[in-house]
Amino acid sequence: QQQVKQSPQSLIVQKGGISIINCAYENTAFDYFPWYQQFPGKGPALLIAIRPDVSEKKEGRFTISFNKSAKQFSLHIMDSQPGDSATYFCAAERGNKLVFGAGTILRVKS
Amino acid sequence: DSGVTQTPKHLITATGQRVTLRCSPRSGDLSVYWYQQSLDQGLQFLIQYYNGEERAKGNILERFSAQQFPDLHSELNLSSLELGDSALYFCASSVGGSPLHFGNGTRLTVT
Repeated sequence: QQQVKQSPQSLIVQKGGISIINCAYENTAFDYFPWYQQFPGKGPALLIAIRPDVSEKKEGRFTISFNKSAKQFSLHIMDSQPGDSATYFCAAERGNKLVFGAGTILRVKS
Repeated sequence: DSGVTQTPKHLITATGQRVTLRCSPRSGDLSVYWYQQSLDQGLQFLIQYYNGEERAKGNILERFSAQQFPDLHSELNLSSLELGDSALYFCASSVGGSPLHFGNGTRLTVT
């Protein structure tokens, strides 16, 4: 049962462009929505997170947009750089269980 | 560097064997989580321990078990290994709940 659906599977963006990754969840009991970034050979690292009482959160070039009624949230990477090339996972948490999306492989072309 | 240490980095073993993966959490973190990452299943939550006690269980097979010791390090034991158990196994730690801090994983190859 896939509780968090993530799209697209892969994404190619030009340097300086905007990267957008979308996630949708089913369980309205989720109360924490983080995004993790994973480089090859490394573990996932927390990038940015949001709680459902907020519609948007921005940290530098990274922004989460959250739509509670639609049960969707997205990650926007502004001015994408080659160093942003990585796999991005959205996740949703209820209690102590973090459920991950399938991941998006982002490649930023220079 | 997340501060979470996992050993070994790589492990190659045969079907039917048993292996133990080890995790040392960040200093001060009481919770340890185990995740399995495979190409077709993504990141799957296996189990969580908090201060030595099992706190939550996910899609962990009966052939797998884990424990957290008094010094807070954790071990994940995988037995009667099958080819399908080949994956990356990640440990993460936290003070209690989120955010989680992940180690760099143990890559298990079952031949």
